[in-house]
Amino acid sequence: DAMVIQNPRYQVTQFGKPVTLSCSQTLNHNVMYWYQQKSSQAPKLLFHYYDKDFNNEADTPDNFQSRRPNTSFCFLDIRSPGLGDAAMYLCATSSPGGVANEKLFFGSGTQLSVL
Amino acid sequence: AQSVAQPEDQVNVAEGNPLTVKCTYSVSGNPYLFWYVQYPNRGLQFLLKYITGDNLVKGSYGFEAEFNKSQTSFHLKKPSALVSDSALYFCAVRDDDYKLSFGAGTTVTVRA
Repeated sequence: DAMVIQNPRYQVTQFGKPVTLSCSQTLNHNVMYWYQQKSSQAPKLLFHYYDKDFNNEADTPDNFQSRRPNTSFCFLDIRSPGLGDAAMYLCATSSPGGVANEKLFFGSGTQLSVL
Repeated sequence: AQSVAQPEDQVNVAEGNPLTVKCTYSVSGNPYLFWYVQYPNRGLQFLLKYITGDNLVKGSYGFEAEFNKSQTSFHLKKPSALVSDSALYFCAVRDDDYKLSFGAGTTVTVRA
């Protein structure tokens, strides 16, 4: 009954080789987020979409891009991965509006390794 | 800007003992506060939230949290900890742009 699905679970890429991580949701939520989490640290927000509106965090490197072709899918593209980009990438969704909806639903994450 | 702080990197308790994980917050306006738990190599799971209403919030897996406005705290508690509660716990606050900012996390270890 997974509601936020991230593929693949583990991804290995080479230094400088573009990589795409995917996220899909069955919740029909307006908002989708991408977080980067390094080694048991706090997740760090990279960007989020509110419907089609893209919102980049000020300190997100240009190397990171995102696409949201429709409500259900969102992709994280890393154009030229460096060793420092090895991390867990977490996708999350939410549906703001109304107290009952105030929470994020997270996928299981994609663990990215850069060789 | 909204922020939360978790003053303890680690909390160690014996199984059956009470568990408390501390969180303090700094917000302008009304706080929207959350607790999430993360098991190894997994995403974050929602435990509970405070939006408005009763200061004692009950959540998943027997956890509860007390919102204290005068102390700007939102500590997570469980009366009797289990070994399976060993995990990484994050306090979080929502800002006006529907984004969550997380604390640094507290690793909880419950020994048998």
